[in-house]
Amino acid sequence: ETGVTQTPRHLVMGMTNKKSLKCEQHLGHNAMYWYKQSAKKPLELMFVYSLEERVENNSVPSRFSPECPNSSHLFLHLHTLQPEDSALYLCASSRSVGGLGEQYFGPGTRLTVT
Amino acid sequence: GQQVMQIPQYQHVQEGEDFTTYCNSSTTLSNIQWYKQRPGGHPVFLIQLVKSGEVKKQKRLTFQFGEAKKNSSLHITATQTTDVGTYFCAVTGGVQGAQKLVFGQGTRLTINP
Repeated sequence: ETGVTQTPRHLVMGMTNKKSLKCEQHLGHNAMYWYKQSAKKPLELMFVYSLEERVENNSVPSRFSPECPNSSHLFLHLHTLQPEDSALYLCASSRSVGGLGEQYFGPGTRLTVT
Repeated sequence: GQQVMQIPQYQHVQEGEDFTTYCNSSTTLSNIQWYKQRPGGHPVFLIQLVKSGEVKKQKRLTFQFGEAKKNSSLHITATQTTDVGTYFCAVTGGVQGAQKLVFGQGTRLTINP
């Protein structure tokens, strides 16, 4: 275990549903990230939070809405998704934002949009 | 934005053969990290290289950072079935690279036992 947990591990939702992904880190880190991993595509950074403040939004559609209530928790709220949003959504954390220092990934949520 | 090219995309070897994956950038890198993702798993940090020409070893894995800090390689000697997975490099640096890692496409390694 890396100290980063994600729930649920699997999620199937219709295009009109609203759901949320949850991430929790037990490492005392100050930075948290959401990534999208699709088949045949590299890891795509979606959002970066540093000390609960969003510092990066990589042109993600508004149907994805992040929330970081404290430095240990990160949510990704989903609504009116499209089938092409089906992917593995990975949460990660690191001591601080910036290039130095490894990122610890959670196990991911496998999302299927029908 | 910062981009990194990783090759090859796929590599299939016989158990016991060596394996190498390469990561190339058109711009000078601040540092480079390597991750491994097992099938069905999540990326796990392997190592970080910071200095020009740096070479680091972890058992059968050898990591190199180019002299110009624009490329890196991961070499596995005498592969074992436990080495199966996708290996990613991740970089920062360049004009916009201060706050995020940019991952390469990954090299997926499969091994014939």
